[in-house]
Amino acid sequence: TQLLEQSPQFLSIQEGENLTVYCNSSSVFSSLQWYRQEPGEGPVLLVTVVTGGEVKKLKRLTFQFGDARKDSSLHITAAQTGDTGLYLCAGTSGSARQLTFGSGTQLTVLP
Amino acid sequence: ETGVTQSPTHLIKTRGQQVTLRCSSQSGHNTVSWYQQALGQGPQFIFQYYREEENGRGNFPPRFSGLQFPNYSSELNVNALELDDSALYLCASSLALRNEQFFGPGTRLTVL
Repeated sequence: TQLLEQSPQFLSIQEGENLTVYCNSSSVFSSLQWYRQEPGEGPVLLVTVVTGGEVKKLKRLTFQFGDARKDSSLHITAAQTGDTGLYLCAGTSGSARQLTFGSGTQLTVLP
Repeated sequence: ETGVTQSPTHLIKTRGQQVTLRCSSQSGHNTVSWYQQALGQGPQFIFQYYREEENGRGNFPPRFSGLQFPNYSSELNVNALELDDSALYLCASSLALRNEQFFGPGTRLTVL
């Protein structure tokens, strides 16, 4: 069974601070996605990384895929209150490209 | 472009009953996947449908079943409901063999 572990589970920071969320596995994934989910809504896709060592930037968010395609990180620069939400990493595997999700990091950005 | 829609939004059932949840895929998407998200956890893959056939299944018992229709919409059926089936059920649509999946808002199922 493939598992993804996310850390930290909870993170509360002040607006303007930087933060990093980690996603680790002992398994190799063909790709990895990061999603953000708000209460009562479905996850919203932020980014897909496919190549080992790949780095993608989305405004203040920087995503990195580990060289061995087993781990990933999400770095947010100068967090804003609008960044508050549940951040989920998900690895793709199998012929059905099914997603294996981590348990999520609940981020709260305080004004 | 129409996004993924799900119905109903909320549902309350009692143990032993049966439930049907519905999903309309995003315009142009031919693949639908269903996930179960318990409170405080990440979503877990139930199964996927492509071309009206099951195309992969997670670790869920047979009382979880599904259908996909020619217009790519889908249903999730759960028989003999148990208390632990209480969760947010998410539908995601995608193009076959593509990594990106786009989620609907979910159906919140409560089993009493």
